[in-house]
Amino acid sequence: GDSVTQMEGPVTLSEEACLTINCTYTATGYPSLFWYVQYPGEGLQLLLKATKADDKGSNKGFEATYRKETTSFHLEKGSVQVSDSAVYFCAYRGSNYKLTFGKGTLLTVNP
Amino acid sequence: NAGVTQTPKFRILKIGQSMTLQCTQDMNHNYMYWYRQDPGMGLKLIYYSVGAGITDKGEVPNGYNVSRSTTEDFPLRLELAAPSQTSVYFCASSLDRGKGGEQFFGPGTRLTVL
Repeated sequence: GDSVTQMEGPVTLSEEACLTINCTYTATGYPSLFWYVQYPGEGLQLLLKATKADDKGSNKGFEATYRKETTSFHLEKGSVQVSDSAVYFCAYRGSNYKLTFGKGTLLTVNP
Repeated sequence: NAGVTQTPKFRILKIGQSMTLQCTQDMNHNYMYWYRQDPGMGLKLIYYSVGAGITDKGEVPNGYNVSRSTTEDFPLRLELAAPSQTSVYFCASSLDRGKGGEQFFGPGTRLTVL
C-alpha cells in the first residue's frame, strides 16, 4: 500500500549547519507532497508543499523538490537556527485525498 | 480567527470511562479530521467528515465514534477507554480535499488512560 518513509531521528545540529531530512514515498498516481512542522507543545503547521513533479516548495529558508523519478521529497535548509528545533513530518495526499504521514524526525539545533 | 480549537488540553481517564474530545473550527471548512499521534509513529487518521451530517472511518476507528451536526464542530467520543488509547489527539480541518489543500491543525489533547 501507499506509505511514506522519512529519515529516523533524532537529528542534532549546531546553529548555521546544513540540514537534510530524507523522505521517500510509495504511491500510485500523482500525489501531492507536504512537509509539516510541529513545534514543542503545538499542533502541526504546513511548512511547504508541492503538487506536481519537479515543483519546488519553499518557506522560511526550507526547500524541497518533488522528484518523481526517485519518489523523493527531501527537506533542506542551508543554515539552521535554534528556532528551527521541532519535529518535521513528511506527508503525501494520493488519489483518495487522505494525508499519509511519515513517522516524524526530531531536529534539535544547539547554539 | 481562532482557527481550530480543541478541549481539553490534558485528561487522565480510568479504564472503562468515557469522554468526548471537543473540536471547533471557525474557518467555515467543510472537511474535518481526527488523528492520533503515538510516539515515533506519525499520525494515524481515526475519522473524517466531508460536511455536516457526513462522517467516515479512517485507518484506526475502533473504540471511537464521531458526529458532525454542524460545520463548526466535530467531537470525538471514546467509549470504554483502554490503555491502548493513550495518545495525543489532533483535530484538523481543510477547505476542500483537493490535491493542494492544506489541513489546519488544533493544538492537541493529551490523553492518558490508566
